[in-house]
Amino acid sequence: GAVVSQHPSRVICKSGTSVKIECRSLDFQATTMFWYRQFPKQSLMLMATSNEGSKATYEQGVEKDKFLINHASLTLSTLTVTSAHPEDSSFYICSARWGGPGATNQPQHFGDGTRLSIL
Amino acid sequence: AQSVTQPDIHITVSEGASLELRCNYSYGATPYLFWYVQSPGQGLQLLLKYFSGDTLVQGIKGFEAEFKRSQSSFNLRKPSVHWSDAAEYFCAGRLRGNEKLTFGTGTRLTIIP
Repeated sequence: GAVVSQHPSRVICKSGTSVKIECRSLDFQATTMFWYRQFPKQSLMLMATSNEGSKATYEQGVEKDKFLINHASLTLSTLTVTSAHPEDSSFYICSARWGGPGATNQPQHFGDGTRLSIL
Repeated sequence: AQSVTQPDIHITVSEGASLELRCNYSYGATPYLFWYVQSPGQGLQLLLKYFSGDTLVQGIKGFEAEFKRSQSSFNLRKPSVHWSDAAEYFCAGRLRGNEKLTFGTGTRLTIIP
């Protein structure tokens, strides 16, 4: 149980294009999902917390207009990297937590990540 | 500031030998602590977690971790490693009621025959 699917697993695109990454909870409802960025050989940095039906909460230093997050259903959150540039190249990982706002003790389950390469 | 520190960037262990990966935390209160494993190019898998109670926590794949308040540590152990344990290991923490996970910088584990 608690499977999180992330798609695509890898994407290569030209500078200036927008890229959408999907994060789905396959066997549970996820009111809250999280988006992380991981630089090579480094740790995960939380970019934003995505809440179903409301605006995402972004961490300090993360550009809201650059990284658009939509959480339109209890099983799907999307991250769109707008007008992507080479410095946006990274490994993006999502996670999802079962339950509503009060279920903060539930662990996060992670997707397999998306390798984004901007040429 | 809240932080999780993994002092060892890279550890090499012989197959069959015991393993201990170090993790230290700095929080104003006792945090919830986690260990995750990441295989190359993949996401993170939860190995075990500590919320409260018994300070020795058992996880999946034969791993365990011990919470030591006096040392602000949550070290991960395995009595006998297998070649399939080669991966990146991350310690993470968060406070009760706060969902933001803070990750350590990770320890890369290499297994030699």
